[in-house]
Amino acid sequence: QVQLQESGPGLVKPSGTLSLTCAVSGGSISSYNWWCWVRQPPGKGLEWIGEIYHSGSTNYNPSLKSRVTMSVDESTNQFSLKVTSVTAADTAVYYCARGGTGWIDPWGQGTLVTVS
Amino acid sequence: QSVLTQPPSVSGTPGQRVTISCSGSSSNIGSNYVYWYQQLPGTAPKLLIYRDNQRPSGVPDRFSGSKSGTSASLAISGLRSEDEADYYCATWDDSHVVFGGGTKLTVL
Repeated sequence: QVQLQESGPGLVKPSGTLSLTCAVSGGSISSYNWWCWVRQPPGKGLEWIGEIYHSGSTNYNPSLKSRVTMSVDESTNQFSLKVTSVTAADTAVYYCARGGTGWIDPWGQGTLVTVS
Repeated sequence: QSVLTQPPSVSGTPGQRVTISCSGSSSNIGSNYVYWYQQLPGTAPKLLIYRDNQRPSGVPDRFSGSKSGTSASLAISGLRSEDEADYYCATWDDSHVVFGGGTKLTVL
């Protein structure tokens, strides 16, 4: 059964770049279609960041599109997220997950990234 | 301001039936499947309902989803204390996923 684990710095300076990686275990990243990132600011709701197909095609949230880049590395069974020019508003728990078009399952446990 | 509108909170007593609404538009709910997620305190969200009304394996049949036009609903019958959580609806809209603002369910 597929499991996901986020990793990356927990603290990023304002105007810097947030970089996270999601390690997929229990299955090949190439065996499924879409992989995505979702974030949740403290005490607030879920915000979809975007999704990436194992071949590299992407769809991004229009509100974040200019600052977000996703990539996939089939050789290491991982996919990644970069968000540039971060501000305090980007402080959130970031989740990686399998899924596309709204069907998101399973989710990683999430990692808190603070911009300060 | 979320594209999908959910009530901020609902409550019920054990054994009761509650419903959570999710209102959208023709570009999202009206033309795409709706998904529901349950987020227990301090944990990652979990898929509860997919494709409007389908339950993943392991989800009790106390949980049911429905959709009509541009609105969807999640019903929870036989309410239990462990159902106390945040619930989110989600769907596709113009090449991206949108979530509702979330509904906090309190079991009194």
